[in-house]
Order: sequence, then structure tokens, then C-alpha cells
Amino acid sequence: EAGVAQSPRYKIIEKRQSVAFWCNPISGHATLYWYQQILGQGPKLLIQFQNNGVVDDSQLPKDRFSAERLKGVDSTLKIQPAKLEDSAVYLCASSLVPGQTADSGNEQFFGPGTRLTVL
Amino acid sequence: GQQLNQSPQSMFIQEGEDVSMNCTSSSIFNTWLWYKQDPGEGPVLLIALYKAGELTSNGRLTAQFGITRKDSFLNISASIPSDVGIYFCAGRGEYGNKLVFGAGTILRVKS
Repeated sequence: EAGVAQSPRYKIIEKRQSVAFWCNPISGHATLYWYQQILGQGPKLLIQFQNNGVVDDSQLPKDRFSAERLKGVDSTLKIQPAKLEDSAVYLCASSLVPGQTADSGNEQFFGPGTRLTVL
Repeated sequence: GQQLNQSPQSMFIQEGEDVSMNCTSSSIFNTWLWYKQDPGEGPVLLIALYKAGELTSNGRLTAQFGITRKDSFLNISASIPSDVGIYFCAGRGEYGNKLVFGAGTILRVKS
């Protein structure tokens, strides 16, 4: 079974530029998550989709970050304009519909992440 | 908001030693998860715990869901070089499906 795919793996941009990340979840996973992981910290949820609807975007800085999952499969996360403090690894994860059963197979599977450096 | 305090921050141990790390919170959690992250990769789920008091093993790894539902620990027995990485605890609260992550424990193994 293919895992969560993300691209690009690395990106270096200057502040005030724009950047976009792409994620393709595991086939059949209805729920997709974007996390920001700053060096030395655990992942922090930015946005959660179920199919093509937003479930939770309470921690997404909406003045500069946007995300979409138009057809309920793959997703893009955009930052415009980028700031120095956006330097981080952006992780995408997917799962079956969470909370249905207490089973590790229903938990989140993570992609390899995109490492963003803002200069 | 909910926060997880994970300790220790880092460990440097001899190959063959046992390792113990834990996570605590002031909030109650319904699910505790333990992930491992290798350099340049995303976190990989090691163990999932769903009931207070539950003790679960996965090979040399053992994790427990604290009886108060506010803590969990992970033990690794007889460590080997490939155990090197960052271990994260994560919890899911009573309401909603959001996972909250600890800051991680960096494990280094000296062979």
C-alpha cells in the first residue's frame, strides 16, 4: 500500500515570496491533515479536512496560509507571503474517518514532509 | 489549550540499556499514541492506547495509558542503534479528534 506522498521535499525561498506544497493521501482515507513542525517541537495541526470540507482550521494563520482539497483527494497548502518564522517542516497526514473505532489502523499516517527554509 | 509535557528532552544511552520516557498533562485524554520520527521522515506510529490502565507491547516497546488518563509512558528494552530518533507522545482529548503532540524525546544510542 502506498503511503502519503508529499512534494517538494525541500524548498528555499526569500521572505515575502509565495510557496505551495502538495499532498496525496493514502487511497481511501477521507481525512487529511496539515501540520507545521518547527525545529525542536512536535507537530502542530494547521488544518483538518474530511473529504473536501474543513473540519478544523483554528490554528491556521489565515492572513497568509490557505489550503484546499477540492476533489476530496489530494490537497495543497499555500503560504503567501512567507515570513522568516514560517521556516519549518510541513507534514501531511491522512486517516480513515477518526473516532469510528479504537484501532491503530484508524490513526494518522504521515508523509515525509516538506522542509521549508525562508531567508 | 491542551498541552503535553514530555520528558526527558534527550537521552544518550549505551546499546543494550533499557529506556523510559513519559508524557503528562493537566487534561484528560481518551487516546494516547507514541510515534517515532527518523531524520528527514514523518512520524511513524509505534503504539496506540485507548483505555485507562491499558498496557500494550510492540516487540521491545511497551507503553501504558495512565490510570488517571493524564499520563503515559513508553519503555524500550535492550536498545539497539536503530532505536535512534525522536519519540513523540500524542494525545486525543474527550472532545473532537485533534491530536496534541509533546515536544519529543531525542534518543541517541552509543554502540
